[in-house]
Amino acid sequence: DQQVKQNSPSLSVQEGRISILNCDYTNSMFDYFLWYKKYPAEGPTFLISISSIKDKNEDGRFTVFLNKSAKHLSLHIVPSQPGDSAVYFCAATRQGGATNKLIFGTGTLLAVQP
Amino acid sequence: DAGVIQSPRHEVTEMGQEVTLRCKPISGHDYLFWYRQTMMRGLELLIYFNNNVPIDDSGMPEDRFSAKMPNASFSTLKIQPSEPRDSAVYFCASRPDRGQWDTGELFFGEGSRLTVL
Repeated sequence: DQQVKQNSPSLSVQEGRISILNCDYTNSMFDYFLWYKKYPAEGPTFLISISSIKDKNEDGRFTVFLNKSAKHLSLHIVPSQPGDSAVYFCAATRQGGATNKLIFGTGTLLAVQP
Repeated sequence: DAGVIQSPRHEVTEMGQEVTLRCKPISGHDYLFWYRQTMMRGLELLIYFNNNVPIDDSGMPEDRFSAKMPNASFSTLKIQPSEPRDSAVYFCASRPDRGQWDTGELFFGEGSRLTVL
């Protein structure tokens, strides 16, 4: 049972435009959400996160939005750059506690066309 | 600072052979995780350790898989016997314990790509 879902396996956008990556979760106990970025032949690296007490977190070109009632979050990249081409994983967890662990989605491959 | 170190980076083996993947976590990190990446399931948690003790192995697919952490600086994931469906990229990740402020953010190694023929 996939608790974190990324329904779009891939996304292609033009350089300079906005990229929107979506993520849905089913477990209402999740209270902290993260996005990781992965280049080929490398490990995933942390990109941005958001706590459930917020509905938006911004870091430069990257903004994450959280809609708790819909159990949905999205990552906006604007403007998109060719170097943003990578696989993006959404992850969810319960903050704090010895048992907290990251549950990841299946990933979305973003291709930014020059 | 050295990151999480995994070996081998690539492994090609034949069905039925034993495979051992190795991981050295970041020094001082209390937690170590093994994930497997496949197209169908994304990044799937297999097992994790806290202070060298296995905490949750519910993600280990079957008895052919085993993991150990004999000390704070080394862990292994073993598959015996290996099967073609085990072909995937296996990631090791670690993190420190930040108590109640712990957000679970992980630091990943570069992965071990396993191909079982």
